[in-house]
Parts: sequence; C-alpha cells; structure tokens
Amino acid sequence: DIQLTQSPSFLSASVGDRITITCRASQGIDRYLAWYQQKPGIAPKLLIYAASTLQSGVPSRFRGSGSGTEFTLTISSLQPEDFATYYCQQLSNYRFTFGPGTKVDI
Amino acid sequence: EVQLVESGGGLVEPGGSLRLSCAASGFTFSNYEMKWVRQAPGKGLEWVSFISTSGNTIHYADSVKGRFTVSRDNAENSLYLQMNSLRAEDTAVYYCARATVEVVVAPFGDYYYYYMDVWGKGTTVSVSS
Repeated sequence: DIQLTQSPSFLSASVGDRITITCRASQGIDRYLAWYQQKPGIAPKLLIYAASTLQSGVPSRFRGSGSGTEFTLTISSLQPEDFATYYCQQLSNYRFTFGPGTKVDI
Repeated sequence: EVQLVESGGGLVEPGGSLRLSCAASGFTFSNYEMKWVRQAPGKGLEWVSFISTSGNTIHYADSVKGRFTVSRDNAENSLYLQMNSLRAEDTAVYYCARATVEVVVAPFGDYYYYYMDVWGKGTTVSVSS
C-alpha cells in the first residue's frame, strides 16, 4: 500500500503569512495527488488535483507543486477563512489513501 | 445544483447492520465512479470503498472488506453502503463523494487524473452498546 505522510502535523500561523505543507509518498505516484481543505463539521473541499491544477473557484493564493514522492501545498497569504485542516490524497491506485492531515491554526 | 445527500446513519449495537444511502442530483450519476470515505471522531479521512460507473468494479479498504458491500442504482441516481458486523471502530461520519477524471493525452500514454470534487454533508454512524 502507498503511505502518505504530511509535515508539519500542526502549524501555527497568522493572517498574511506564507505557509507550506509537505506531503510525502512511500513510493512514486507521478502527479496523482490532490489536496483538500476541511473545516470542523464540514465535508472536505477539493483545492488542487494532479498535484498542481487549481480546482475551479479556489483562490489563486493556493498553489500545489511536486511529483514522484514529494509534494507541497503553499498558501501565499493566509486569510482568516484558511484556518482549517489540510489533507493530501494519492490517486495512483484505486485505494485513494489520504495523508494524516495538517491543522493550520492561529 | 450538483449535490450528494447521505442518509441512513444512526446508533447501532456491535454486530449490527446499517444501510447507508447517497442520493445524487444535478449531474449524470451513471457517468461517475463513486466512493465512500469515513472520518472517525477527531481523526483523519479514511477511504472505505470504490465502485465503478457500471458497478462491475468494486474495491474495499482492508478494514471493511468482507463486512461492507457497496452498490449503486443508476436508474435511481443512488449509491449504497450495506454495513454488517459493525464494530466500535466503524463509528464515524460517512461521506459519499464523486470521483471525476481528467484525461491528459500524451505521446507515450494517457494520464488519468482522478479527484473527488463533490462530497455530501455526511451521515453519522455510531456503534455502541
């Protein structure tokens, strides 16, 4: 099975900060990676797929990059509504496993 | 409006059964593969099952294999998850999600980039005596 790790698991930041979250895969997954944002009590929201393609309607301050085993999600200028938990997900095989999540808090 | 609405969750004793439903609207349900994802209280997301457009290809997470059965009725625009032999560790919010694929044509082979772009609000399953 392909395992995903995320770092950091928790990130304390302020409005306006630039933050980066890293997702690593246990084996190469090309660019078959997506990023989701989840707020408490709400379903996840797709941000990025194919490692770097921004989902329609997602602000351009979100940027994804990487391929193979290492990927990053960058938020260029954190906004109040961005405080949430972020998950990466591999989609290179049918299992579509998720990373453990990164909580972005004030 | 594109929408998925789950139902059927509730409180059940260990060893019991529940059947979850997911009603789709606003898109051509039969054109999309579908998935169930769950989230235990305070925990991360866990993929549970996958079903192809026709229902001919099905996969399960090891944690539910042999106990859960996914199915779909394209005529009714509905997805189902039959959960048997429930355990305390199955307690979670269960989401259904649509899997969309973007095909990138390349000289040496096409790339199929999947993503889960539509999610329901979830239905809560609690397994406890």
